[in-house]
Amino acid sequence: EVQLLESGGGLVQPGGSLRLSCTIFGFNFNDAAMSWVRQAPGKGLEWVSLISNTGRNSYYADSVKGRFTISRDNSRDTLYLQMSSLRADDTALYYCAKDIELSYLGQGTLVTVSS
Amino acid sequence: DIQMTQSPSSLSASVGDRVTITCRASQGIRNDLGWYQQKPGKAPKRLINAASSLQSGVPSRFSGSGSGTEFTLTISSLQPDDFATYYCLQHDSYPLTFGGGTKVEIK
Repeated sequence: EVQLLESGGGLVQPGGSLRLSCTIFGFNFNDAAMSWVRQAPGKGLEWVSLISNTGRNSYYADSVKGRFTISRDNSRDTLYLQMSSLRADDTALYYCAKDIELSYLGQGTLVTVSS
Repeated sequence: DIQMTQSPSSLSASVGDRVTITCRASQGIRNDLGWYQQKPGKAPKRLINAASSLQSGVPSRFSGSGSGTEFTLTISSLQPDDFATYYCLQHDSYPLTFGGGTKVEIK
């Protein structure tokens, strides 16, 4: 069974940093591109970033480019999202997702940016 | 960026009704489209990939069609468990983009 477990969310002040993690089970992490997707409270879904299976290539939404960095550790089956220069409009539930097709999403971790 | 225009943004329907949701892409995306269902407080769940392929375990009352710029999700006979918000996603090119969502409510 495919499982994706996000962690690392919390309350952070504007301008602060946070690192999210996503640990996977039930599929070969080395073979899968991985994404982060977010959902602000009461709003729709927004794709944030994707990293290729090897980690060699990464892509970002314009809204986070230059502030967020996606990475992965294939030896630990873990995906990361390093977030810096956080703003109030980054407040959202952050989901990790499998494949470019976003075939499975985790349950999410909540990031709240507020003073 | 490819814009995904989803309609309607909300609809009210009764159990047993046939429901159709449409997504229009601002440029051709071949069949690189998925449909997702999200219930309150839950993660989105993919129903359909490649525009028309039903995800394993998804009831056959769900179907998808389309290619290029026009796509449709159809629920042939709405069931109580189907009241949720539905999203389309294009993954043809970066940035990946979602439609704005369609909230399906009980009439």
